[in-house]
Amino acid sequence: DIQMTQSPSSLSASVGDSVTLTCRASQGIGNDLGWYQQKPGKAPKRLIYAASSLQSGVPSRFSGSGSGTEFTLTISSLQPEDFATYYCLQHNSYPLSFGGGTKVEIK
Amino acid sequence: EVQLVESGGGLIQPGGSLRLSCAASGFTVESNYMSWARQAPGKGLEWVSVIYSGGGTYYADSVKGRFTISRDNSKSTLYLQMNSLRVEDTAVYYCARDNSGPSQWGQGTLVTVS
Repeated sequence: DIQMTQSPSSLSASVGDSVTLTCRASQGIGNDLGWYQQKPGKAPKRLIYAASSLQSGVPSRFSGSGSGTEFTLTISSLQPEDFATYYCLQHNSYPLSFGGGTKVEIK
Repeated sequence: EVQLVESGGGLIQPGGSLRLSCAASGFTVESNYMSWARQAPGKGLEWVSVIYSGGGTYYADSVKGRFTISRDNSKSTLYLQMNSLRVEDTAVYYCARDNSGPSQWGQGTLVTVS
């Protein structure tokens, strides 16, 4: 099974900051990775698919990169609505696996 | 518009059974991979099961042998039959449509095993 490790587990940032979240796979997964945003009490929302493709309707301040085992999600110019928990998910092979999440908090 | 609506959650004693439903609209369930995932209170997301468009299935080790995923194409509904429930199965359960990974999610239904 493929293990997904996210770092950091949490971070504090200010509105307008740029932040980068990292996700590492225990083995190569090509670009079979998605990034999800989840707010308290809500379902996850996919932001990025295929490692770097922006989901329709998602603001362009979100961007993804990487392939193989190392992936990043960058949020440029954080907005108040971006404070949430972010998860990566590999869909290269079953069982699918999520990272542990990164909580982005307001500084 | 794609919509997924889960139902069937509730409070159940350990060892009991429950069947979750996920009513889909805006697309054809039988033509898509469909997944269930869950989230225990205060914890991260955990993938649970998938049913392929061809009807094959796959399960996480944590639920294998206890949970069964199925679908009713005529009702455009996905199911998760959960047997031999454990306290650690307590979670919000989400269904999702897979398109290069889970792309659209329902709002979730809470299962409490206590």
